[in-house]
Parts: sequence; C-alpha cells; structure tokens
Amino acid sequence: GENVEQHPSTLSVQEGDSAVIKCTYSDSASNYFPWYKQELGKGPQLIIDIRSNVGEKKDQRIAVTLNKTAKHFSLHITETQPEDSAVYFCAARDDYKLSFGAGTTVTVRA
Amino acid sequence: DTAVSQTPKYLVTQMGNDKSIKCEQNLGHDTMYWYKQDSKKFLKIMFSYNNKELIINETVPNRFSPKSPDKAHLNLHINSLELGDSAVYFCASSQFHEQYFGPGTRLTVT
Repeated sequence: GENVEQHPSTLSVQEGDSAVIKCTYSDSASNYFPWYKQELGKGPQLIIDIRSNVGEKKDQRIAVTLNKTAKHFSLHITETQPEDSAVYFCAARDDYKLSFGAGTTVTVRA
Repeated sequence: DTAVSQTPKYLVTQMGNDKSIKCEQNLGHDTMYWYKQDSKKFLKIMFSYNNKELIINETVPNRFSPKSPDKAHLNLHINSLELGDSAVYFCASSQFHEQYFGPGTRLTVT
C-alpha cells in the first residue's frame, strides 16, 4: 500500500516569511495529491490539490509542486500570516483511497 | 450551510458501552468515509461507502460497524467500547477525488 512521509513535523516561521512542507510517497500509481489544513477543534479543510499530469499549481499565497520521478511533492506558503497557523497534512491517492502524511504543525510568530 | 455534518461533537462514555455517531452530507456526493484521528493527529481511513455499498474496509475491529441508509448518510456504530477507541472520528464525502471532511466527533472512553 501507499506510504506517505511528511517533513518537518513542526515548523515555526516569522510572519511574512515563507513556509515549505515536503512529502514523499511510495506508490508510483498514485495520481492525486491534496493538501489539507486543520485548525484546532475542526476537521481537515482541503486547501489545494494537484494531479499527476501537472507539475505546479498556485492559488494566491499557496502553491504546490510535484515531482513524479522522485515521488516528491511540496506545499509552499508565502507571506505567512498568523491565521496560517495550523496543522497541515499532505496525502496521496492511489486507485481507491487517500493515504495521509503524519502532519506538520505550523506556527506563525507575529 | 454545513456541507458535512456529524453528531454528536463530543461523546464521553464508559468502557463496554455501545455508541453511534451520525454523519450527513448535503453535497450530493456518492462516496462517504469514516476516518480515525489518534492523539498524535494521524489520520487513518476506516471505511468507505459508494452509493450505500461498502467499498473500503480497512483493518478495523468487528466492533465497528458502518451503516449507510442512503447515500447522504453514513453512521458508525461501535460495540463494547474500549479505552483505545478514544480518538476523533471524522466523516468525509467525495465525488471524484476531492474529499470534504466533517467537524469531527471527539470520543472519550473512560
């Protein structure tokens, strides 16, 4: 089955700086890679996703890149704001289910 | 309007009891899921239903039984609750790849 590894587990950044979270996956058949943001006491919220036929996707301050050859994908948050503080999860989907990374707790210092 | 809703939000019960968690989605999606999030925030799929049919049944004790009365509802019944069942349980739904999560039910078994 799919195995998704996520790094780092915690990330502290100064407001206005960038944050980068990296994930690797094991199953070359995986073809869909979403990122979720989970705030305290809430469910995970889909913030951006990328499909295997695309190398990069951007939505305002967040962007995701995918390297299928290396089986890496990354989330980039620019100009971080205090409301970006949350736990972020990457995931990879094979034919029938999502497998999640262990999460990255991002803290944005004011 | 709430897209994916769960009840109750909190559930405190004693070992050995039987309890149910309910989930409803108003997105018109065909597929619904139950996930378990442990104390380390790790998200793991338990079950998935597509049009009321079970399509994913991960390694979950038989004490857990999902039921889907229609494609907008997926309930989770847990028999003989154990201390290790304490976790946050999330319902989710999807229509193709994008999955949308409910707010979660925090189950505490004492």
